[in-house]
Amino acid sequence: AQSVTQLGSHVSVSEGALVLLRCNYSSSVPPYLFWYVQYPNQGLQLLLKYTSAATLVKGINGFEAEFKKSETSFHLTKPSAHMSDAAEYFCAVSANTGGFKTIFGAGTRLFVKA
Amino acid sequence: DGGITQSPKYLFRKEGQNVTLSCEQNLNHDAMYWYRQDPGQGLRLIYYSQIVNDFQKGDIAEGYSVSREKKESFPLTVTSAQKNPTAFYLCASSIEAGELFFGEGSRLTVL
Repeated sequence: AQSVTQLGSHVSVSEGALVLLRCNYSSSVPPYLFWYVQYPNQGLQLLLKYTSAATLVKGINGFEAEFKKSETSFHLTKPSAHMSDAAEYFCAVSANTGGFKTIFGAGTRLFVKA
Repeated sequence: DGGITQSPKYLFRKEGQNVTLSCEQNLNHDAMYWYRQDPGQGLRLIYYSQIVNDFQKGDIAEGYSVSREKKESFPLTVTSAQKNPTAFYLCASSIEAGELFFGEGSRLTVL
């Protein structure tokens, strides 16, 4: 069974500050991990993904995430927040076990203050 | 451009009516999915299909039905049996267990 926990339903940062969105997962098999971003009234867009290659994954818009197996974590970071980063972010886990099912966290809404 | 097209974007329904949400993809993906999104609950899987003429229930399939007669199309019907249908519905496709490609969503409101 797989599950995802995102710590903090809302995160607020100042423009130019570090962004850190936390994600912990549970998986009985080696996981594939993803971060998606959603802007209001739109679908989700992939930011980055981990599929058992390099543990530090770089994505679009300056975001990156590090897979830490010992901590079962996949936290999302960005060194300097921009106003355009304000959105909702979802961590997700899946496994290539033939079921093709992806499990999503509850989401974290990021607010960026000027 | 390749992608997923959902329609309509906004839909209003009276209680007791069935409604069908359209989802079409031109990415040549085998797998397609329907998710329901409610505030603070993330995305919950309604149905998914790995191949034409086959589909499986997700975590919240009660009150919904789907069909997969063509690879490109995966329509979702919200039936009158769905007790709380007001939500944002997202269709997606994928290759195996990799990245999901999402449509823009359909917002259903029951009056």
